[in-house]
Amino acid sequence: SQKIEQNSEALNIQEGKTATLTCNYTNYSPAYLQWYRQDPGRGPVFLLLIRENEKEKRKERLKVTFDTTLKQSLFHITASQPADSATYLCALGNTPLVFGKGTRLSVIA
Amino acid sequence: DAMVIQNPRYQVTQFGKPVTLSCSQTLNHNVMYWYQQKSSQAPKLLFHYYDKDFNNEADTPDNFQSRRPNTSFCFLDIRSPGLGDAAMYLCATSRKGLADTQYFGPGTRLTVL
Repeated sequence: SQKIEQNSEALNIQEGKTATLTCNYTNYSPAYLQWYRQDPGRGPVFLLLIRENEKEKRKERLKVTFDTTLKQSLFHITASQPADSATYLCALGNTPLVFGKGTRLSVIA
Repeated sequence: DAMVIQNPRYQVTQFGKPVTLSCSQTLNHNVMYWYQQKSSQAPKLLFHYYDKDFNNEADTPDNFQSRRPNTSFCFLDIRSPGLGDAAMYLCATSRKGLADTQYFGPGTRLTVL
């Protein structure tokens, strides 16, 4: 069956460190993958999109990788700040998009 | 600013009492979606409109209906809410296609008493 797994439900990290979140999938062949940020009680907000032929994408302190062989995407936040605390969702570029459950990131000052 | 607006932000209804949630967009996007999201779960797609074409997900209960009277507005009707329907309801839009980036509204938190 088709599955999307985001590494853990919650991740705690010290301010200034790099946070790495994982998105694994099975039985999908997405042409691209998206990452969203969701704050409590709010709708998700789009962050980054990476296509299957791109190894890496960057935006400011964010970096995403996409390995179609491993069926995995990694989402990195460098120099993390308490304001980065949120839930991060990956979404596979199926038709329509398929969302993972998310990983709740807490950055501790 | 172009955006997706949902009203109300919080809705309380009684078991079995019909309720309507509304969504409007100023983005002029073709596609509009309704999702249900429960705590710590992925947003679950209920249905979407590709322009005027309505598409129901196979596992969306018959209790949930939707209307899109024009490009800007979309409504979610829950005919007989049960306790299990308490959730956050998210409206989203995308410009052209179903796998495009989605723009979400702030959501409506539904409580069923």
